[in-house]
Amino acid sequence: DAGVIQSPRHEVTEMGQEVTLRCKPISGHNSLFWYRQTMMRGLELLIYFNNNVPIDDSGMPEDRFSAKMPNASFSTLKIQPSEPRDSAVYFCASSPRQGAFYNEQFFGPGTRLTVL
Amino acid sequence: TQLLEQSPQFLSIQEGENLTVYCNSSSVFSSLQWYRQEPGEGPVLLVTVVTGGEVKKLKRLTFQFGDARKDSSLHITAAQPGDTGLYLCASNSGGSNYKLTFGKGTLLTVNP
Repeated sequence: DAGVIQSPRHEVTEMGQEVTLRCKPISGHNSLFWYRQTMMRGLELLIYFNNNVPIDDSGMPEDRFSAKMPNASFSTLKIQPSEPRDSAVYFCASSPRQGAFYNEQFFGPGTRLTVL
Repeated sequence: TQLLEQSPQFLSIQEGENLTVYCNSSSVFSSLQWYRQEPGEGPVLLVTVVTGGEVKKLKRLTFQFGDARKDSSLHITAAQPGDTGLYLCASNSGGSNYKLTFGKGTLLTVNP
């Protein structure tokens, strides 16, 4: 089975440009998460979808960030306009169930974003 | 939000040595997960512990959950270069059944 697929793997852009990161979760998983990882702050949850509906976006840093999940097999994270402080590795993860006492999350390989 | 403190932050050892890394919180964990992240990849779940005092073994890795469920340790026996990576602990946050809070991790380097 294919794991979580993310694209692109690397993105270098200039300040002010729009950046779109893409994710295909594992088939059959109904929960999807976007995370950001930096040396200073570690792994932070940005937004969580369940059954394609955004449930918790409290981790989204500001209005420049937006995320969509138009269907069960695709999600995007958009940054517009991008800033150098957005440079980080962005991970998408999916999980097979909500409501369990604990959940196992399956992570994609990440997108390394550099904003110049 | 529950804060997870991991120690040490960095650890560099020789192949064959044993090591232990720790994850602590001032709050009680409902459950705790350990992940390993290799360079250029996403974290991969190693184990979930739920019961206080629980011990789980995964080949050369031994995971222990503290009796009070406020701490956990990961012990690796006879470390190998393939064990190199970032070890992260994570716990459900604020009673949520989906939201994981991650520690900042222990970066382990095993030198041949």
